[in-house]
Amino acid sequence: SAVISQKPSRDICQRGTSLTIQCQVDSQVTMMFWYRQQPGQSLTLIATANQGSEATYESGFVIDKFPISRPNLTFSTLTVSNMSPEDSSIYLCSVGGPGITDTQYFGPGTRLTVL
Amino acid sequence: AQSVAQPEDQVNVAEGNPLTVKCTYSVSGNPYLFWYVQYPNRGLQFLLKYITGDNLVKGSYGFEAEFNKSQTSFHLKKPSALVSDSALYFCAVRDPGGDSSYKLIFGSGTRLLVRP
Repeated sequence: SAVISQKPSRDICQRGTSLTIQCQVDSQVTMMFWYRQQPGQSLTLIATANQGSEATYESGFVIDKFPISRPNLTFSTLTVSNMSPEDSSIYLCSVGGPGITDTQYFGPGTRLTVL
Repeated sequence: AQSVAQPEDQVNVAEGNPLTVKCTYSVSGNPYLFWYVQYPNRGLQFLLKYITGDNLVKGSYGFEAEFNKSQTSFHLKKPSALVSDSALYFCAVRDPGGDSSYKLIFGSGTRLLVRP
């Protein structure tokens, strides 16, 4: 399995500002994923981040709102831009793809509250 | 389209009794199926998976799940529940033959409450 860390673990932000969440893995992985878990809800995939290419966004999520970087095989960032209270959620990164034995492993999450 | 259903929002069971958390799925091909657990203020922890082979798979913390292709189900079970098993459980499916072959689709989650 992979060991995944996220920073920050939680934050409280003002509306209109942006927050960048970092995801670090202890080994090189092909694919990294970003999920959103709204209060009391299940997980929804925001985008898939592959190293060396543009992130692939799911329906309902756009790059201007959730820009993603993937500079190398162990690191990714997700930015939540121009935040509103509706963005209050837990944001989780996960890793998977070839070499991770078909299982996605998740980071501890970042709990974001937007006032 | 892929989908996962967890029909129970909450399951209540007494400590020491067997527990079952239900999951049914819909995919066009042969599914990869997963169970994850989420404790309060924690990320998702992987419990077990079915890829191929024996329909009964065993995972962490004494949990097991049975893949039933005819019923398109993958119910999570444990012979004897512990209070510490109380958490939120998610079933997830992946269609390895689909266009987004590494994408996980999650169920809505089932909260397990084990009473002392």
